[in-house]
Amino acid sequence: KQEVTQIPAALSVPEGENLVLNCSFTDSAIYNLQWFRQDPGKGLTSLLLIQSSQREQTSGRLNASLDKSSGRSTLYIAASQPGDSATYLCAALNSNSGYALNFGKGTSLLVTP
Amino acid sequence: NAGVMQNPRHLVRRRGQEARLRCSPMKGHSHVYWYRQLPEEGLKFMVYLQKENIIDESGMPKERFSAEFPKEGPSILRIQQVVRGDSAAYFCASSPDSKPQHFGDGTRLSIL
Repeated sequence: KQEVTQIPAALSVPEGENLVLNCSFTDSAIYNLQWFRQDPGKGLTSLLLIQSSQREQTSGRLNASLDKSSGRSTLYIAASQPGDSATYLCAALNSNSGYALNFGKGTSLLVTP
Repeated sequence: NAGVMQNPRHLVRRRGQEARLRCSPMKGHSHVYWYRQLPEEGLKFMVYLQKENIIDESGMPKERFSAEFPKEGPSILRIQQVVRGDSAAYFCASSPDSKPQHFGDGTRLSIL
């Protein structure tokens, strides 16, 4: 059974800082790993999706890496802004199930001006 | 191109009533998934449906919960005789095949 853990649970940083969010998973047989953003009372917005054959993906100030052998993924946010404040979720899609995303509990990020 | 539409956005029910949550997938998507997010918990998979078929309902409680995705119309998640513990955010996702999934804004269910 896939277990996804995100550390830290909450993070507060001043504007402009670079930061790293961590995600670990117990079963390395994943099809892909996805990072989402969730704003309060809102749905999930997909940020980056890394296929199992890839090592990283980049979009603007965001960079996500994947190390299947160690069961880890990181989301790097450069030059953080107050608008980045949200909860960030990572989700692993297992190769065997093929459709049920396994989510971590998320990291709640607050970027202060 | 509208995204995944869920309604209602907020639903309040008293204990013992029925809750019906609706999900209209993105145009062209025939795969629908329901997830539940309990307070302070991560999203948990509940059920995976294709048109007129339940593919996997292993994450759905055996009693009081049911889901359907008819040939015409939205997917429905039905919770009968709701209890306080059913209070959660219920998210629907859709995809053109089994991956990747696009999420709706969710339905926040509150049980009085």
